[in-house]
Amino acid sequence: EAQVTQNPRYLITVTGKKLTVTCSQNMNHEYMSWYRQDPGLGLRQIYYSMNVEVTDKGDVPEGYKVSRKEKRNFPLILESPSPNQTSLYFCASSSTGTGNSRWDNSPLHFGNGTRLTVT
Amino acid sequence: RKEVEQDPGPFNVPEGATVAFNCTYSNSASQSFFWYRQDCRKEPKLLMSVYSSGNEDGRFTAQLNRASQYISLLIRDSKLSDSATYLCVVKAGGYQKVTFGTGTKLQVIP
Repeated sequence: EAQVTQNPRYLITVTGKKLTVTCSQNMNHEYMSWYRQDPGLGLRQIYYSMNVEVTDKGDVPEGYKVSRKEKRNFPLILESPSPNQTSLYFCASSSTGTGNSRWDNSPLHFGNGTRLTVT
Repeated sequence: RKEVEQDPGPFNVPEGATVAFNCTYSNSASQSFFWYRQDCRKEPKLLMSVYSSGNEDGRFTAQLNRASQYISLLIRDSKLSDSATYLCVVKAGGYQKVTFGTGTKLQVIP
């Protein structure tokens, strides 16, 4: 089954304790991205990756790191979590194909989310 | 002005009603458009893509108006199971630009 898998689903941690949220997709998608969702603010992009070893900042990258060593995996790292990073996080992937046409018509596929609480 | 704007609602409608949502976008370079459905605290799921000529999928109809820069979603014969938040998603030309609306909440009432 084609899917994007995130782990863990729920995570409660304390300020400053490093954590990693994993994301893996089995669709051979080039594009992967992380979002956070907060009430009234919608989905905001944290980081994205166009392919292996190619990553770039989204709209709210502060306090986060990512890596893309393999095509299927795109972990999100919080080196020193703070309470303002308490949020619902989603990983997503999409095909880019060749040329803008394929990308434009390809929807995002989302993981089932990680609810993070930092106390 | 937000790049993608939606009325947050909630829209409370009786079963069987027809309801329509609009989504406006500000980037004239926007190339493609999608409607996603999100149930409470769950991941967004693709409802339908929006094509230039408009498209229909069962009870759902999507329209695009490039001149006025908005897309719409029409739901006919609303079901209780249609209760959810509907997200508008816009892709601009170029790979990285994907913008989400904040969503419109629909509550279908028995």
